[in-house]
Amino acid sequence: GESVGLHLPTLSVQEGDNSIINCAYSNSASDYFIWYKQESGKGPQFIIDIRSNMDKRQGQRVTVLLNKTVKHLSLQIAATQPGDSAVYFCAENTRAGKSTFGDGTTLTVKP
Amino acid sequence: DAGVIQSPRHEVTEMGQEVTLRCKPISGHNSLFWYRQTMMRGLELLIYFNNNVPIDDSGMPEDRFSAKMPNASFSTLKIQPSEPRDSAVYFCASRSDRGSNEKLFFGSGTQLSVL
Repeated sequence: GESVGLHLPTLSVQEGDNSIINCAYSNSASDYFIWYKQESGKGPQFIIDIRSNMDKRQGQRVTVLLNKTVKHLSLQIAATQPGDSAVYFCAENTRAGKSTFGDGTTLTVKP
Repeated sequence: DAGVIQSPRHEVTEMGQEVTLRCKPISGHNSLFWYRQTMMRGLELLIYFNNNVPIDDSGMPEDRFSAKMPNASFSTLKIQPSEPRDSAVYFCASRSDRGSNEKLFFGSGTQLSVL
């Protein structure tokens, strides 16, 4: 029979273009947010984080934006490369330390 | 640093058998998390420990699942008896809660197949 699973959002971009991956979080009490990258056969790896008292943070080729009003997080990747192809997860931490993950977005970079 | 170490890397077992997954966190990390990843439900938090004490086990599916952390360098996740619907990738992650950096470091996961 047909399998039913999560319908992960997908994003396909051309190499060199910028990518924007979005995430909606659920807990207004969360005070720390992290983006992770998961490559096939591996565990998620940290990319960038942001605290709730900030609305923007920049890293090398990546920027995270936080909009607490609408509980929205985005990850921007500049000059996307084939090595950026992966599943990207946002995670939210509560003050109690619990860390929960969103559903993930699959990014495919076309050469 | 060797990172978070999980064993076995792959486990194939028959329904009804006991399965034990193992995790060695990064030395000095004081929080440890167990996650399960499936296509149906994504990355689910099963349980997490802080200073070897279980803090939140609300994600543990049912009584067949149990987790222990007897010391700061070792944790187990046990499934008894196992069922086909337990087939998934199980990840262990650790974190240092000292300071303001709260990111998780994940192991490579255990791919569990219950036949």
